[in-house]
Amino acid sequence: QSALTQPASVSGSPGQSITISCTGTSSDVGGYNYVSWYQQHPGKAPKLMIYEVSNRPSGVSHRFSGSKSGNTASLTISGLQAEDEADYYCSSYTSSSTLVFGGGTKLTVL
Amino acid sequence: QLQLQESGPGLVKPSETLSLTCTVSGGSISSSSYYWGWIRQPPGKGLEWIGSIYYSGSTYYNPSLKSRVTISVDTSKNQFSLKLSSVTAADTAVYYCARHPFTISRMDVWGQGTTVTVSS
Repeated sequence: QSALTQPASVSGSPGQSITISCTGTSSDVGGYNYVSWYQQHPGKAPKLMIYEVSNRPSGVSHRFSGSKSGNTASLTISGLQAEDEADYYCSSYTSSSTLVFGGGTKLTVL
Repeated sequence: QLQLQESGPGLVKPSETLSLTCTVSGGSISSSSYYWGWIRQPPGKGLEWIGSIYYSGSTYYNPSLKSRVTISVDTSKNQFSLKLSSVTAADTAVYYCARHPFTISRMDVWGQGTTVTVSS
């Protein structure tokens, strides 16, 4: 299985909004509403931010939102804050009953 | 509150078998609502799903690792384990265990991770 495609890096200023894309195929992202997003700060374990494309776990800020169109899912962070600076990974369930991650995106808050 | 803790050798020799255990506390590994998984992250690289298991023993593996991976569960000890055979330096990584609620599509609780280095 091939990794999902994410931009290597994105950046934004405090208060702005940014969007991270995650592109797969009809066998993963496009075929199921099982896309998740994780935030990972250096030296820490990943944290689930979005599941099933657009659902937020309890405790996750409303500034984080997810969507999907075709084979591409997106994570949007609005009202960017310094604490949002981290690596972000998408993942998707696949038609082979497996899980695949994206390569990760480094978010820099300017 | 559910907690997961990885344990095992931090150093493994090339060609040998890497063995890790994840101990689940604050909840039962036998709950029908959850799967349990292993994920790894090589230094400076991204996350890679290794595989997952249900308490009944049903397993799901990453096709690229399937020939070398065995995941098992011990409900009496509330633990699940990972064995990765014939390791090379490319298997050097932080290994995480995690919980999947309802399906393997997401991980909502993670262990802190344990670093495994493959070197002679």
